[in-house]
Amino acid sequence: ELKVEQNPLFLSMQEGKNYTIYCNYSTTSDRLYWYRQDPGKSLESLFVLLSNGAVKQEGRLMASLDTKARLSTLHITAAVHDLSATYFCAVARYGGSQGNLIFGKGTKLSVKP
Amino acid sequence: NAGVTQTPKFRILKIGQSMTLQCTQDMNHNYMYWYRQDPGMGLKLIYYSVGAGITDKGEVPNGYNVSRSTTEDFPLRLELAAPSQTSVYFCASSSAGYYNEQFFGPGTRLTVL
Repeated sequence: ELKVEQNPLFLSMQEGKNYTIYCNYSTTSDRLYWYRQDPGKSLESLFVLLSNGAVKQEGRLMASLDTKARLSTLHITAAVHDLSATYFCAVARYGGSQGNLIFGKGTKLSVKP
Repeated sequence: NAGVTQTPKFRILKIGQSMTLQCTQDMNHNYMYWYRQDPGMGLKLIYYSVGAGITDKGEVPNGYNVSRSTTEDFPLRLELAAPSQTSVYFCASSSAGYYNEQFFGPGTRLTVL
């Protein structure tokens, strides 16, 4: 059974600092997704990672995927208040039904001045 | 281009009542999904559809039914509502293919009392 664990679940950061959110999953997969959710809002797609060693960057966020270690990281560089949100990783079941994703519990990020 | 739309935004039901959550997408996506999000948790897949007339169960289908008569619409039916169905419900859609990035609607907040 595919399980997805994120850590930390809560993260309070100061502006300007760097930090990394980790997403571990328990069985083989070839696709991993990162989403952002603002309070009371829907989910916004951030990154789609499709292969081992994939790295994608958008602004202050960089995501990477290591399929051998079954690990993805979301690195935050020089955090700003606007990045405060909950970040979810979601993993596709390998060889499973198209689009059948298992979500982590989310990391609630709070960036303080 | 509205993307994925959901109605209603909020709803309060009494135990035993029934209702239908509506979902429509205008991106001509083949794949559509229903998720529920409980407080502090990630999303769990209820049902999904890979095309008109084809639906399948996700992780937590009990107490729900779906139908897909058109590409655009994917309603979720709750029969005999129970307090355990209090949650936020998200509909999502994606195109066919390996990339399979899912786009989410704004959500429906349902309370069963």
